[in-house]
Amino acid sequence: DAMVIQNPRYQVTQFGKPVTLSCSQTLNHNVMYWYQQKSSQAPKLLFHYYDKDFNNEADTPDNFQSRRPNTSFCFLDIRSPGLGDAAMYLCATSIRLYPYNEQFFGPGTRLTVL
Amino acid sequence: KQEVTQIPAALSVPEGENLVLNCSFTDSAIYNLQWFRQDPGKGLTSLLLIQSSQREQTSGRLNASLDKSSGRSTLYIAASQPGDSATYLCAVRRVGTTDSWGKLQFGAGTQVVVTP
Repeated sequence: DAMVIQNPRYQVTQFGKPVTLSCSQTLNHNVMYWYQQKSSQAPKLLFHYYDKDFNNEADTPDNFQSRRPNTSFCFLDIRSPGLGDAAMYLCATSIRLYPYNEQFFGPGTRLTVL
Repeated sequence: KQEVTQIPAALSVPEGENLVLNCSFTDSAIYNLQWFRQDPGKGLTSLLLIQSSQREQTSGRLNASLDKSSGRSTLYIAASQPGDSATYLCAVRRVGTTDSWGKLQFGAGTQVVVTP
């Protein structure tokens, strides 16, 4: 089945230790998104890629970076995780940006910062 | 600025009752609205997507209505089951401009518990 896969599902890191989260998709979608979701809150968009074109949200901290080496894979790098970065990180894809860009989500990676 | 609100934040119903979940948004300039389900510690599963020109969308026991002019959407789940226990989020897709390109704006969700 075509899908969005995130690895690992659970990640524990230490304060200040860099961490990379992975997302892959078999849908062959042009757009990939990264969201941060803290407990009982709405998902917050961090950035997205349209093909190789990277778009950062204005309020995304510099501590968060992303790479998309090819259509199928996208990575989220957190350079120096703080306690406030503990959250669920969701990857999503869509065929196009808008207007009818239904997004398909992966299962998420739960990040714990000690 | 678009704001999306879901009230109540939590809801508990006995099995068999119909569920009514509310979503309100402040800016009616939307392309569409999407309802998602999220199980604890999991990602989002898309349930229904309603285009701005539609008034409702149905899938099995689920029915979602959209009243764009009043900024409201309602998700109905008929004959609820314990397996319907989850958090339900709505998200609106704003009309694209130079800086919004139709991004999804989420509500914080309604946590539903269906008791046997």
